[in-house]
Amino acid sequence: ETGVTQTPRHLVMGMTNKKSLKCEQHLGHNAMYWYKQSAKKPLELMFVYNFKEQTENNSVPSRFSPECPNSSHLFLHLHTLQPEDSALYLCASSEEVEQGGTEAFFGQGTRLTVV
Amino acid sequence: GQNIDQPTEMTATEGAIVQINCTYQTSGFNGLFWYQQHAGEAPTFLSYNVLDGLEEKGRFSSFLSRSKGYSYLLLKELQMKDSASYLCAVLDSNYQLIWGAGTKLIIKP
Repeated sequence: ETGVTQTPRHLVMGMTNKKSLKCEQHLGHNAMYWYKQSAKKPLELMFVYNFKEQTENNSVPSRFSPECPNSSHLFLHLHTLQPEDSALYLCASSEEVEQGGTEAFFGQGTRLTVV
Repeated sequence: GQNIDQPTEMTATEGAIVQINCTYQTSGFNGLFWYQQHAGEAPTFLSYNVLDGLEEKGRFSSFLSRSKGYSYLLLKELQMKDSASYLCAVLDSNYQLIWGAGTKLIIKP
């Protein structure tokens, strides 16, 4: 399997739990992204990493904590989430951030339900 | 603020042609993307326009008018497998992608 792989595909967690989402890309890309996708809403960019350095944090609550140990792996650590955080969380990668025309490759997402 | 508008849902018939419109207001412009997303799957790249005009790729074509802040995705010879959501996204002056909410396309036999 080449491309972008996300695990787990589905996750149900309580509001007091701590869990992590994992993303892995085998495309040799230098930029990785976390998006939140809620029903009938635009994709919301959460975090951007370019060459392992975080370049964007779009006012995301601190209960979401990203980690990028290398160019191929990206994590999203979750703790004390709220029910409104239930959504599809998508990881994506691209060659570089500041490059027009660079398409993003998406993983299949983690469907998160907070109970 | 930045805004991308596209219809929420459209219905078309197998074998027909459908045009999905997208209008945008963004701070700067570095290109417009169309992605396809089947239910429960990852969005996949369809097209990229940065200059005015029509880009054709098989059954799919994408048009851009920068002066009007307008794009459309044209799908010809519709097939049942084209039932999906189609996402319009604009790369702004900071090279950040601004996304529309997507258009759910339903194909009927």
